[in-house]
Amino acid sequence: NAGVTQTPKFRILKIGQSMTLQCTQDMNHNYMYWYRQDPGMGLKLIYYSVGAGITDKGEVPNGYNVSRSTTEDFPLRLELAAPSQTSVYFCASSYSLTRQETQYFGPGTRLLVL
Amino acid sequence: DQQVKQNSPSLSVQEGRISILNCDYTNSMFDYFLWYKKYPAEGPTFLISISSIKDKNEDGRFTVFLNKSAKHLSLHIVPSQPGDSAVYFCAARHLSNDYKLSFGAGTTVTVRA
Repeated sequence: NAGVTQTPKFRILKIGQSMTLQCTQDMNHNYMYWYRQDPGMGLKLIYYSVGAGITDKGEVPNGYNVSRSTTEDFPLRLELAAPSQTSVYFCASSYSLTRQETQYFGPGTRLLVL
Repeated sequence: DQQVKQNSPSLSVQEGRISILNCDYTNSMFDYFLWYKKYPAEGPTFLISISSIKDKNEDGRFTVFLNKSAKHLSLHIVPSQPGDSAVYFCAARHLSNDYKLSFGAGTTVTVRA
């Protein structure tokens, strides 16, 4: 039981490049989330999903896209990377949308946009 | 607009002593509060929570206190152990947006032997 896994661990992108951050969970959770954490700031919700095929915007969705074709996977897409997207990205999953103590987080992807 | 603030970026404490972490919030519509712990290169993990209808919740060495009138909560760790060295995040949930959390920036705790 690996929990929530994220790849890559670290990536450097040039401005304007695109990439996909991968997230997979093996706990059969319906709910999945993407957060970003900027230096000196708290985590902010980018997108979340309540099940396969259903996604919704969080607090800071601009510049990102998501899809949820399976229960296990919730990739985050950056289409045109900008320096403002330099951050640490955390994926999480849970069995309840409103019981946040049930959220399991992945180890994070550190992204640097230059 | 930072609605949840942890004004102390770091805290150093002797092993065996009490660690007190503080968190202030501005939105009176927050009804549930959580603390998370994060080790380097790992994601946050849930530590303890408290509902706004309570003023204290205890779980082993960890106790969270809530002062609603002051919009302030604190996490007490007694006694502090070397394994408690981590970043601690305070988070709050809004009454009408209960899927979303507002996080503080975190406090790095170092427990000295």
